[in-house]
Amino acid sequence: GDSVTQMEGPVTLSEEAFLTINCTYTATGYPSLFWYVQYPGEGLQLLLKATKADDKGSNKGFEATYRKETTSFHLEKGSVQVSDSAVYFCAHWGGADGLTFGKGTHLIIQP
Amino acid sequence: GAGVSQSPRYKVAKRGQDVALRCDPISGHVSLFWYQQALGQGPEFLTYFQNEAQLDKSGLPSDRFFAERPEGSVSTLKIQRTQQEDSAVYLCASSLKTGTNTGELFFGEGSRLTVL
Repeated sequence: GDSVTQMEGPVTLSEEAFLTINCTYTATGYPSLFWYVQYPGEGLQLLLKATKADDKGSNKGFEATYRKETTSFHLEKGSVQVSDSAVYFCAHWGGADGLTFGKGTHLIIQP
Repeated sequence: GAGVSQSPRYKVAKRGQDVALRCDPISGHVSLFWYQQALGQGPEFLTYFQNEAQLDKSGLPSDRFFAERPEGSVSTLKIQRTQQEDSAVYLCASSLKTGTNTGELFFGEGSRLTVL
């Protein structure tokens, strides 16, 4: 069945470090791909998305490119900040079933 | 309000009690989803409404779980005879669009259920 696999956390980095959170998926066809973020005490919110192969989604300095060949959608940021500390979820759109999420990656940025 | 509102935010129930969780979606949003998020896991799909019609309930874990959206706006997720394994955060999400591959869901902050 459809699934999303992302690297397990927690991931701990120093401020200004480079970030990569890996995400791969299995699905029928070529679904839209998403990264959602959950800041402490808040609800899930959309961070970025890509709707077709080779699309790059970007927001708040984060980027992810839809790689059809490797069925991947890795999240990257060149210089992280303490305020980026949160749980990040990779997801793809399953149609009537809505979003299929990965287990989430807890990111901790230390000053 | 401007966002998806869920209540209660926290609920503690004794095993065997019934609980009801409420979701107020963003006004005008046609699609409404319920998800269950266990500790340390990603959200898992429970059920989906388009207006008042429940189009998919394949994710409901047992017949103790029931969801409704009678007027196509507010939705209630009811869990009968709660069990300890029902302890989780229950998330509600809404979307303006239907049947399209958008995935832009707006989530509430969730209702955290603890069953003792």
